[in-house]
Amino acid sequence: DTAVSQTPKYLVTQMGNDKSIKCEQNLGHDTMYWYKQDSKKFLKIMFSYNNKELIINETVPNRFSPKSPDKAHLNLHINSLELGDSAVYFCASSPSLQTQYFGPGTRLLVL
Amino acid sequence: DAKTTQPNSMESNEEEPVHLPCNHSTISGTDYIHWYRQLPSQGPEYVIHGLTSNVNNRMASLAIAEDRKSSTLILHRATLRDAAVYYCILRESGTYKYIFGTGTRLKVLA
Repeated sequence: DTAVSQTPKYLVTQMGNDKSIKCEQNLGHDTMYWYKQDSKKFLKIMFSYNNKELIINETVPNRFSPKSPDKAHLNLHINSLELGDSAVYFCASSPSLQTQYFGPGTRLLVL
Repeated sequence: DAKTTQPNSMESNEEEPVHLPCNHSTISGTDYIHWYRQLPSQGPEYVIHGLTSNVNNRMASLAIAEDRKSSTLILHRATLRDAAVYYCILRESGTYKYIFGTGTRLKVLA
């Protein structure tokens, strides 16, 4: 059973499109995160939700909007995609302030 | 945000111990030291963490300097499957935020 899963695994799209990435965790954790890993492999946190409430909101363009319908899901919607949004996006979850468990990543390519 | 400094890359022979250093000279008294690793094409995975005392688990050992300004991740017998990027991360007590550095790319030679 996959602990933290993301869909899709790969996403290729045109500039200007709107797309969503979904994340689900079956670990019963109350905190979920989105990270972005750029082409230089630098991993940076974007958002975090604890019990469906936004607790971390880094300096991210407001074209990015996270949504947490319940504790087990954290989706990321991106409007008006730009070339610079091409990256690998990782979802993670943790039981409160403890160890984070990462998903396999979604590789986004904007053409 | 406290920062960490790691060598960009290291090499080790298979079956030998590996010591991966990390400097965190601006660490505060309540910052936890975490190590994660990222295997090729995968998400990061937890390795070990500590606050002041040295820590051991089935994957590795963490040696923390007395002044806490540096730490060393020790893999006791490197295998080819240990080839990955190893990240040393500081997490402030009471916060959810990890600040990832650039990590050390470990190459294990057969």
